[in-house]
Amino acid sequence: DAGVTQSPTHLIKTRGQHVTLRCSPISGHKSVSWYQQVLGQGPQFIFQYYEKEERGRGNFPDRFSARQFPNYSSELNVNALLLGDSALYLCASRSGTYGTQYFGPGTRLTVL
Amino acid sequence: KNEVEQSPQNLTAQEGEFITINCSYSVGISALHWLQQHPGGGIVSLFMLSSGKKKHGRLIATINIQEKHSSLHITASHPRDSAVYICAVESQTSGSRLTFGEGTQLTVNP
Repeated sequence: DAGVTQSPTHLIKTRGQHVTLRCSPISGHKSVSWYQQVLGQGPQFIFQYYEKEERGRGNFPDRFSARQFPNYSSELNVNALLLGDSALYLCASRSGTYGTQYFGPGTRLTVL
Repeated sequence: KNEVEQSPQNLTAQEGEFITINCSYSVGISALHWLQQHPGGGIVSLFMLSSGKKKHGRLIATINIQEKHSSLHITASHPRDSAVYICAVESQTSGSRLTFGEGTQLTVNP
């Protein structure tokens, strides 16, 4: 079985632009969570989706939004990019709302 | 004060040494996770604990719920164990989101 996949792997944007990051969970997993990891720090929770509904939101501005599709894949959107949005964005999936989370390789976003 | 504190921040060991990484948390939890992150970013789940002790190969994780403390032990360390080890908790009040510690950078020298 394929693991969690994310695209793109790397992305360079300029301030003010918009970005869309994509995540495909492990087959059969209905829960997807998004995390932001700034260099040198632990990841920070952004969103959790389960069965296409938002189940949690971290302390991030409204410029961050996400959605989950009927096939359980997910998108994270960030508008009006700031330099401080430069980070590794991680997606994790699990089968339900409890249990081991399986992480994707991440998308490294650089905002210039 | 962070909800999840790890110590030490950095750890250098010689191959073969016994290693301990500590994690303290301040909230009631439903589960605690130990994760491994290699350069380049990929995160691998090592353990998920809600009580007691778990062992996988040379890795052992323990948790004391009353003291809000967990430890990750590595026996007979090897240079391939060099990575960042991260403790993360699922709190009883915040659903199943993970709150992470800052991580412990482990370097094992041959």
